[in-house]
Amino acid sequence: DTEVTQTPKHLVMGMTNKKSLKCEQHMGHRAMYWYKQKAKKPPELMFVYSYEKLSINESVPSRFSPECPNSSLLNLHLHALQPEDSALYLCASSQVLGVGFRDSPLHFGNGTRLTVT
Amino acid sequence: AQTVTQSQPEMSVQEAETVTLSCTYDTSESDYYLFWYKQPPSRQMILVIRQEAYKQQNATENRFSVNFQKAAKSFSLKISDSQLGDAAMYFCGAVSTGNQFYFGTGTSLTVIP
Repeated sequence: DTEVTQTPKHLVMGMTNKKSLKCEQHMGHRAMYWYKQKAKKPPELMFVYSYEKLSINESVPSRFSPECPNSSLLNLHLHALQPEDSALYLCASSQVLGVGFRDSPLHFGNGTRLTVT
Repeated sequence: AQTVTQSQPEMSVQEAETVTLSCTYDTSESDYYLFWYKQPPSRQMILVIRQEAYKQQNATENRFSVNFQKAAKSFSLKISDSQLGDAAMYFCGAVSTGNQFYFGTGTSLTVIP
């Protein structure tokens, strides 16, 4: 059982649609992440939230809009996506941001498989 | 910044045998740790093992162990007594100050019955 829950598992959307991906964790983690992963490639970091504040934005296009309503929830709002945005979107959390606290590995969800038509 | 290199895109191993996956990294950080994640077809990234850079002793987790060569910046993963459930994509990686997780390109492991 995964401790990071992502919904939906699959999503098909048109280029004019607006949709949202959701991620939830109840481990008390204060850092949450969005990754994008193409087939047979490593995950690519998109956003990092630390204590509900956006800490890292890896120059992601504005058609992706993250939101962290509270310490347990992370959303990714999608609008006017392109077919090349089709990918697996992974959410992850860690206890804190910063390697000073050594027991802080990433815990991943099962991902949302997004297809843009 | 850090870079992580996995030079073996694909590997195969006979069930019950041992296989070693290679990983090299480059970093200018003094405080970091290294890790291996596996990603089976179920898609979830699962932490296999991690190693703090300041520790000289190689980490082990049941059938999984690492060979950490700090001077050579090498961090290989050894899987002993390979099982069918070990078939997955394996990603080596590093994390340092700021919790930036850097992943290698991955090695696809096939376990042959």
